[in-house]
Amino acid sequence: DAGITQSPRYKITETGRQVTLMCHQTWSHSYMFWYRQDLGHGLRLIYYSAAADITDKGEVPDGYVVSRSKTENFPLTLESATRSQTSVYFCATTGQVNTEAFFGQGTRLTVV
Amino acid sequence: DAKTTQPTSMDCAEGRAANLPCNHSTISGNEYVYWYRQIHSQGPQYIIHGLKNNETNEMASLIITEDRKSSTLILPHATLRDTAVYYCIVRVGGWWGDKIIFGKGTRLHILP
Repeated sequence: DAGITQSPRYKITETGRQVTLMCHQTWSHSYMFWYRQDLGHGLRLIYYSAAADITDKGEVPDGYVVSRSKTENFPLTLESATRSQTSVYFCATTGQVNTEAFFGQGTRLTVV
Repeated sequence: DAKTTQPTSMDCAEGRAANLPCNHSTISGNEYVYWYRQIHSQGPQYIIHGLKNNETNEMASLIITEDRKSSTLILPHATLRDTAVYYCIVRVGGWWGDKIIFGKGTRLHILP
């Protein structure tokens, strides 16, 4: 199906575990983004990417790692999950600067 | 940090026009104003964007002041389904892409 998809939709993990959230888009868009949204708050940018192999930090990058070996995928890894990383994570993509961004459905991550 | 300021919450009667203000007093000449909304815990949804002229689409109208320091999103005939958090965003774009930075948004309640 065309669009942007995130997986898994729900994840429970233990403190200290490594976990990877996946984001896949079918448009071959250049730009991709990762956000986290804590309960009752707005979205905060974690990392973004302008193209394959080009990534940069956002507002809250600590504790996260990203990679982008293929244009269509932008995985987000929590190398050692902490309870403070319990959140809803959204992936987004846009084809060009200053065009509409499309968001995934979100991944609800709980770290216990 | 977000470059916009919005009221925390607003109410609007169903069927009336909802006017959501946004201040972006430090906006630069090449920065666009974007509006997104987020319904419940879904991914944000694009509404409209503009540079300096007023814009209208099937969802809403965007009025940008002549000095570009503020704007208003207008939902002409609000329905209960328009209850959501509305985000006004200034896109800082460049060759590296753009960081889409969200502020706290306005929680709009449509009252029956």
